[in-house]
Amino acid sequence: AQSVSQHNHHVILSEAASLELGCNYSYGGTVNLFWYVQYPGQHLQLLLKYFSGDPLVKGIKGFEAEFIKSKFSFNLRKPSVQWSDTAEYFCAVKGNRDDKIIFGKGTRLHILP
Amino acid sequence: NAGVMQNPRHLVRRRGQEARLRCSPMKGHSHVYWYRQLPEEGLKFMVYLQKENIIDESGMPKERFSAEFPKEGPSILRIQQVVRGDSAAYFCASSPRLSETQYFGPGTRLLVL
Repeated sequence: AQSVSQHNHHVILSEAASLELGCNYSYGGTVNLFWYVQYPGQHLQLLLKYFSGDPLVKGIKGFEAEFIKSKFSFNLRKPSVQWSDTAEYFCAVKGNRDDKIIFGKGTRLHILP
Repeated sequence: NAGVMQNPRHLVRRRGQEARLRCSPMKGHSHVYWYRQLPEEGLKFMVYLQKENIIDESGMPKERFSAEFPKEGPSILRIQQVVRGDSAAYFCASSPRLSETQYFGPGTRLLVL
């Protein structure tokens, strides 16, 4: 079955700490991978995406993610988080010829000032 | 370029009433997708439409839910005879083509009393 698993539901970090949010997916075939972010009271925004090419993808606000095909993983990283990174982060997968995006349940990140 | 627009942002209905949720895609986007986010869950695909056509409704509940995307005007997600379990955030997304990135609107939060 097609699915996305995010390892942590809640993460609490202090400012300047390094961040890694785990994401594994189950999907047959060629995939497109996404991380979306939802800041408090705001709508879902695209943080970064992988369609093809370099498996290390750089997104907005200093975030990056690495696609490891052999591990079916697409972990999100940021070397030094800020208080403004407090948000909910969703990992998602889509078949490259498919219409529906399959989302993980989300990880709520809380950054302590 | 305005983003995906959804209205209303918040909607309160009593059990048995109808809910109509509207979505205007980004300019130049002819593909519209509806997703539902239940509390503590990730977004779940409901339906994919192009102008005047439903392409994939595999995620739509079999009863009470319908969607349309007329030639003129916004896409409408209609829920008849709402029940408490319909309380959720409903997100619309659009893309210029099937294989392109989907951009999300701010969502409509439906509360059924």
